[in-house]
Amino acid sequence: AQSVTQLDSHVSVSEGTPVLLRCNYSSSYSPSLFWYVQHPNKGLQLLLKYTSAATLVKGINGFEAEFKKSETSFHLTKPSAHMSDAAEYFCVVSDQSGGGADGLTFGKGTHLIIQP
Amino acid sequence: DVKVTQSSRYLVKRTGEKVFLECVQDMDHENMFWYRQDPGLGLRLIYFSYDVKMKEKGDIPEGYSVSREKKERFSLILESASTNQTSMYLCASSFRKDIFTRNEKLFFGSGTQLSVL
Repeated sequence: AQSVTQLDSHVSVSEGTPVLLRCNYSSSYSPSLFWYVQHPNKGLQLLLKYTSAATLVKGINGFEAEFKKSETSFHLTKPSAHMSDAAEYFCVVSDQSGGGADGLTFGKGTHLIIQP
Repeated sequence: DVKVTQSSRYLVKRTGEKVFLECVQDMDHENMFWYRQDPGLGLRLIYFSYDVKMKEKGDIPEGYSVSREKKERFSLILESASTNQTSMYLCASSFRKDIFTRNEKLFFGSGTQLSVL
């Protein structure tokens, strides 16, 4: 069985400061991990994806995430927040062993607020 | 770029009505999905399809059905709408690399906000 926990429902940072969105997972197998972003009134868009290659994954818009197996974490970071980063972020795990019927398990989301 | 188009951005329906939500993708993807998104609950899978005329139940299929008569189109049907089906509905599609790999990158539509009164 697999699960994913986004540790913060809301994160607020000032423009220009670092962003950290936390995600922990559990998986019986070697998982694939994803971060998706959803801007207001838009569908979800893939930010980045980890599939057992390099543990530090670079995504779009300056975001990156590090897969840490020992900590079962896949936290999303960005060195300097921009106003356009304000959105909902979803961590997703897949090990094709369970979770949702399609093998994907979505976190409940983290709402990122950027203060001017 | 892949485009996933949902026919309506907002819908308001009455309890008991039959509701059709349409989704079309233009990249010849094999896989198509319907999710509902509710605050604090993330995305929950309703139904998915890996091929034309093929459908499989997701985690919360009760009260819904689907139709996939053509590869590019995947319809979600609420047979008799109820107030607890008020939600944001998201359609997604993906390419299937092979029969063993199901979870490639998903492309999402912009969503349909359905209100059932």
